[in-house]
Amino acid sequence: EADIYQTPRYLVIGTGKKITLECSQTMGHDKMYWYQQDPGMELHLIHYSYGVNSTEKGDLSSESTVSRIRTEHFPLTLESARPSHTSQYLCASSESITNTGELFFGEGSRLTVL
Amino acid sequence: AQSVSQHNHHVILSEAASLELGCNYSYGGTVNLFWYVQYPGQHLQLLLKYFSGDPLVKGIKGFEAEFIKSKFSFNLRKPSVQWSDTAEYFCAVIPDTGRRALTFGSGTRLQVQP
Repeated sequence: EADIYQTPRYLVIGTGKKITLECSQTMGHDKMYWYQQDPGMELHLIHYSYGVNSTEKGDLSSESTVSRIRTEHFPLTLESARPSHTSQYLCASSESITNTGELFFGEGSRLTVL
Repeated sequence: AQSVSQHNHHVILSEAASLELGCNYSYGGTVNLFWYVQYPGQHLQLLLKYFSGDPLVKGIKGFEAEFIKSKFSFNLRKPSVQWSDTAEYFCAVIPDTGRRALTFGSGTRLQVQP
C-alpha cells in the first residue's frame, strides 16, 4: 500500500479564494508530480519535481504554483481560484534510483469553485 | 512529445466474458509502458508494466498485456472478467530518455454486469 496522502479530499470554495492542496509521502521518493484529471479525460501533468528546490511545469498550462521545500511535501497553490479550476488534482511520487516511471498515487483532491 | 490513445471509452461486459482494451502510443524512441486501474472511490494503482524483454507481461488479478512494437500498441487483456473488475483503466507511457514523466491516455471505463 502506497503511503501518499492528499488533503483535502473534497473542497468547495468561492471564486477569488486562495487555496492550497496538500500532498505528503512517507516513502522518501525524490520525484513528485501533480496531475489534473477531468471526467472522461486523460490525466494531464501540470507540475513535477525531481527533488528539494526543484520544480518544473508540466504539459498542461496551469495557473497553480508548487513548492518543494522538503522531500516529503509537495503542496499546490491557487492564488485566486476560478470556476475553470474545478477539477480533480492527483498527486503522485516515484523512486529516483530505479527511474522506471512507476508512480504511486494519492486519492486525489476534488476541487469545485463556485 | 509522446501521446497515448485509448479508443474504447466505455466498455460493458457480462461476467466471464473476455476483455481486450486497446492502447496505442506515439513516440519514436524506446518507452516503458504501464496500465493503471482506478476502482470506484479508490486511488490509481499499477496493474502491470513493461520495460524490456518478453513483450507479454502479466499483472495482478489475471490481467496481461502485450507490447507490439511494430504497431506501437500495448493492449490489455483478461480471459474472463469478474464484477470486481469494474473500474477505469488507464494506459500510460514514459520515454526511456529525456523528461521522465508519465503521459496517460484518456482512460476506458469498464462496467462488468453480474
